[in-house]
Amino acid sequence: NAGVTQTPKFRILKIGQSMTLQCTQDMNHNYMYWYRQDPGMGLKLIYYSVGAGITDKGEVPNGYNVSRSTTEDFPLRLELAAPSQTSVYFCASSYSRQSNTEAFFGQGTRLTVV
Amino acid sequence: GENVEQHPSTLSVQEGDSAVIKCTYSDSASNYFPWYKQELGKRPQLIIDIRSNVGEKKDQRIAVTLNKTAKHFSLHITETQPEDSAVYFCAASWAAGANNLFFGTGTRLTVIP
Repeated sequence: NAGVTQTPKFRILKIGQSMTLQCTQDMNHNYMYWYRQDPGMGLKLIYYSVGAGITDKGEVPNGYNVSRSTTEDFPLRLELAAPSQTSVYFCASSYSRQSNTEAFFGQGTRLTVV
Repeated sequence: GENVEQHPSTLSVQEGDSAVIKCTYSDSASNYFPWYKQELGKRPQLIIDIRSNVGEKKDQRIAVTLNKTAKHFSLHITETQPEDSAVYFCAASWAAGANNLFFGTGTRLTVIP
């Protein structure tokens, strides 16, 4: 049972480069999310999706883009990497139902922009 | 939007003692309050949650209390063990899904053997 899988686990980018963080889940969850976790800080929501074809901005969306073409996949795109985007990124998913709202997290991607 | 504050940021206890972590929230519409545990280098995982129609919930050595009037909730860990050492996050949400799950800044708990 894979759960939520993120790739890569680590990445170093130069300023101005672009990359895509991959996220896939095999639990048939309708909700998926991207969070970033800065040192000593909590998790901040970047983007989320309530289902295939639907995405919306979270608390800190600037500098990122997402797409949700399938239920399973929710990639996060950084177009012009900046040092402020150095962080640990977590993808998560949940099944939106009153009785079951647990968010399952991926193992994280540590991104450094130099 | 919702603002969740968490205290303390670090907490050290002797093995066997109790640990208490407190959170406050600002949006009175919030009705779901989960707690996540994140071990070093690992992903956050849900350990317990509480909904606004309940004042207290227990699961073995872990308990969570909620005071909706004061808008605060707390995590209590009794008989702490070294494996309880981790960062603990509280969160608040008012929807069934977690799209507006607002997290606190975390508490690093160290249990000293």
